[in-house]
Amino acid sequence: GAVVSQHPSRVICKSGTSVKIECRSLDFQATTMFWYRQFPKKSLMLMATSNEGSKATYEQGVEKDKFLINHASLTLSTLTVTSAHPEDSSFYICSARAEDPRVDTQYFGPGTRLTVL
Amino acid sequence: GDSVTQMEGPVTLSEEAFLTINCTYTATGYPSLFWYVQYPGEGLQLLLKATKADDKGSNKGFEATYRKETTSFHLEKGSVQVSDSAVYFCALKPTGTASKLTFGTGTRLQVTL
Repeated sequence: GAVVSQHPSRVICKSGTSVKIECRSLDFQATTMFWYRQFPKKSLMLMATSNEGSKATYEQGVEKDKFLINHASLTLSTLTVTSAHPEDSSFYICSARAEDPRVDTQYFGPGTRLTVL
Repeated sequence: GDSVTQMEGPVTLSEEAFLTINCTYTATGYPSLFWYVQYPGEGLQLLLKATKADDKGSNKGFEATYRKETTSFHLEKGSVQVSDSAVYFCALKPTGTASKLTFGTGTRLQVTL
């Protein structure tokens, strides 16, 4: 099946620094990628939808200047958490949808655990 | 807004036991319903889905039936194995909204010998 990878799997950073998380579709081209955030014992919350070559669409309540999303190619999307603070500590998960929109199946990455000290 | 409610875990079962994980939803219209599974260290994988009322999704011995009258999509398996240990997420996708999934909180299943 289709594989999506994320890097890094875990990251610990100091408050005030920025952290970049990569999401790659390894064996298919993804025109659309999604970024989710998961709090402990909570459901996955969709943060934004990114389409290759265009600006991301952010969900209500998600700060676009805080969570920068770039989808520069059909196989790579990045999420940068800028000026991270402890409340940004969370589990971030990406997913990718194959180029054919008729398929409309999301393939998920394994997630990235961010801890901000 | 749309929402999905799952039973809280963890659920601990002995091998070969019967499994039920409850899932109910709130949505307008006729959403598609999904179960995803996340094995340790891996991404979420689609386990099964149903797109209309009374549809039954099935895969790997798991089943779930789309019950509109009770707004439910309970996951069942007749005989679980240790390898089924994972976190299971119920999700819905509203009609006409491509790929915008709403997830439940996930239920951890632990199967022991």
